[in-house]
Amino acid sequence: DAKTTQPPSMDCAEGRAANLPCNHSTISGNEYVYWYRQIHSQGPQYIIHGLKNNETNEMASLIITEDRKSSTLILPHATLRDTAVYYCIVRVATSDKIIFGKGTRLHILP
Amino acid sequence: GAVVSQHPSRVICKSGTSVKIECRSLDFQATTMFWYRQFPKQSLMLMATSNEGSKATYEQGVEKDKFLINHASLTLSTLTVTSAHPEDSSFYICSASTGPEQYFGPGTRLTVT
Repeated sequence: DAKTTQPPSMDCAEGRAANLPCNHSTISGNEYVYWYRQIHSQGPQYIIHGLKNNETNEMASLIITEDRKSSTLILPHATLRDTAVYYCIVRVATSDKIIFGKGTRLHILP
Repeated sequence: GAVVSQHPSRVICKSGTSVKIECRSLDFQATTMFWYRQFPKQSLMLMATSNEGSKATYEQGVEKDKFLINHASLTLSTLTVTSAHPEDSSFYICSASTGPEQYFGPGTRLTVT
């Protein structure tokens, strides 16, 4: 079973920041938080990952709480192309296997 | 970033026939490849893990004799759906791993009539 809990869906206005929450209260010390997204009828796309520090790349920012029990993915300026299902996953970096939960369906509203 | 391709992107086959789906890592060597299945409105479900040169490891509930996986090289894995039936119609996605990073293919939509 997936080790994360995400809201099933969210709306965000185009141009605004999209903040996607994820709960992972049973995360272990050696598990990373990964985010992927899946645009309709495509394969998943890697977004970002982190262990305990906040991370930022060209796509998004990842904010992890100090106790590591939850995190937030931030898309700073959402566009219509960001409409997708976003998956929050916890996994050990040395473990290849990825188990997907149900994710959050993000709708960007024009 | 690393590129993973799948072929074909779409396939329609008749019930009872077999269909092969290829997964290739185009610009890197993948020590491990994975196969997922996704039904409409559902999440991806891991079917099996394959390492080059060894037998695939199947997830619980996945029939190994029906979903044959071959990982003959570090850049190619194939999934053969044998004696396909309409309930096997699904979106099949592969991924390739170099270690902690995993890259996904674009998926293959299988329709069994």
